[in-house]
Amino acid sequence: NAGVTQTPKFRVLKTGQSMTLLCAQDMNHEYMYWYRQDPGMGLRLIHYSVGEGTTAKGEVPDGYNVSRLKKQNFLLGLESAAPSQTSVYFCASSLGEKLFFGSGTQLSVL
Amino acid sequence: GENVEQHPSTLSVQEGDSAVIKCTYSDSASNYFPWYKQELGKRPQLIIDIRSNVGEKKDQRIAVTLNKTAKHFSLHITETQPEDSAVYFCAASIQAGTALIFGKGTTLSVSS
Repeated sequence: NAGVTQTPKFRVLKTGQSMTLLCAQDMNHEYMYWYRQDPGMGLRLIHYSVGEGTTAKGEVPDGYNVSRLKKQNFLLGLESAAPSQTSVYFCASSLGEKLFFGSGTQLSVL
Repeated sequence: GENVEQHPSTLSVQEGDSAVIKCTYSDSASNYFPWYKQELGKRPQLIIDIRSNVGEKKDQRIAVTLNKTAKHFSLHITETQPEDSAVYFCAASIQAGTALIFGKGTTLSVSS
């Protein structure tokens, strides 16, 4: 039982490049979330999903897109990366209210 | 939308002292208030939570209090130990599956 798995763990991009972060959970959770963590800013919600095929905007959705084609996967896409998107990205899932976090992806945009 | 303010941003205490972290929220419809602990380089983990129909909840050395009228809630850690050193986040949401909004975090340092 792996819990919440994020890939990749580290990535360096150049401005304007695109990439997709993958989050996979094996707990059959309905709800999934993407957060970004920046120093002094806490955890800010980017997008979330309440079930397969659904997505919703969080606090800071601009510049990101998401998809939840399968219940166990939640993808976060950056179409044209900007230095302001340098951050640690955490995926989380939940069945009710308790969130289970992945180990994070450290993304640097140069 | 919901906005969660957290204070202080840093807190230093001596081992054995108590630590208190306070949060306020803006949306009166919020009814779930968890606290997460994040050790250096690790993922956040839930340590305690409280729902709006409860005023106080305890779990060993940690406790959370909620004042719905004033829209604030607090984390209390007694008899602090060096392993309590971490970043603590409060959060609020209206219901399960909706947006869980976090405060900016408090870095707690416990010195022995």
